[in-house]
Amino acid sequence: AQTVTQSQPEMSVQEAETVTLSCTYDTSESDYYLFWYKQPPSRQMILVIRQEAYKQQNATENRFSVNFQKAAKSFSLKISDSQLGDAAMYFCAYRSSFYQGAQKLVFGQGTRLTINP
Amino acid sequence: DVKVTQSSRYLVKRTGEKVFLECVQDMDHENMFWYRQDPGLGLRLIYFSYDVKMKEKGDIPEGYSVSREKKERFSLILESASTNQTSMYLCASSLEGQGFRGPEDEQYFGPGTRLTVT
Repeated sequence: AQTVTQSQPEMSVQEAETVTLSCTYDTSESDYYLFWYKQPPSRQMILVIRQEAYKQQNATENRFSVNFQKAAKSFSLKISDSQLGDAAMYFCAYRSSFYQGAQKLVFGQGTRLTINP
Repeated sequence: DVKVTQSSRYLVKRTGEKVFLECVQDMDHENMFWYRQDPGLGLRLIYFSYDVKMKEKGDIPEGYSVSREKKERFSLILESASTNQTSMYLCASSLEGQGFRGPEDEQYFGPGTRLTVT
């Protein structure tokens, strides 16, 4: 079974600075997808960024980028120019590319990010 | 925009009560999911459904059942609520059925129901 580990329960960063959230995972599969989700306080969870394991190029979405290290099974999220609206719980998630239950997501424990003004 | 709604934001029930949590999506999605969110444990999948009347167990199905009589609605049922089922429950949906599993098929989440069982 796949597992996802986020070892940083809480992180904080000064507004406009850069912060990196860590995620490691364990799988025996060679093809899969990885995601970062954001859950703002009292608001719905939304997808931030996705990465396909067969793609070597790291995904980027505006101020959000990932550092995907397949051999190390590491998938960190970098947030540049942090803004107050980035304050949220961030979840790393894994999904197999094969049918093992209709796109089941396996989530990490979450990292609570605080932005200091 | 995809909208996933859940019947209640907050719910307080007594031990032993039968509890229904309702989820509705308005985008004709094939898949629907129920997760439980607990501090330090992240989200864990309880049940999911890939078609009307079809369901599969997730990682922690014990003490729960589900119903999907219509495509847009997915209900989570706690047959006899217990205090260890106090948690945040999140519903999600995604577009495609079993035949498509690309990364673009993201899951859309509802706002969550915070259930307290006393």
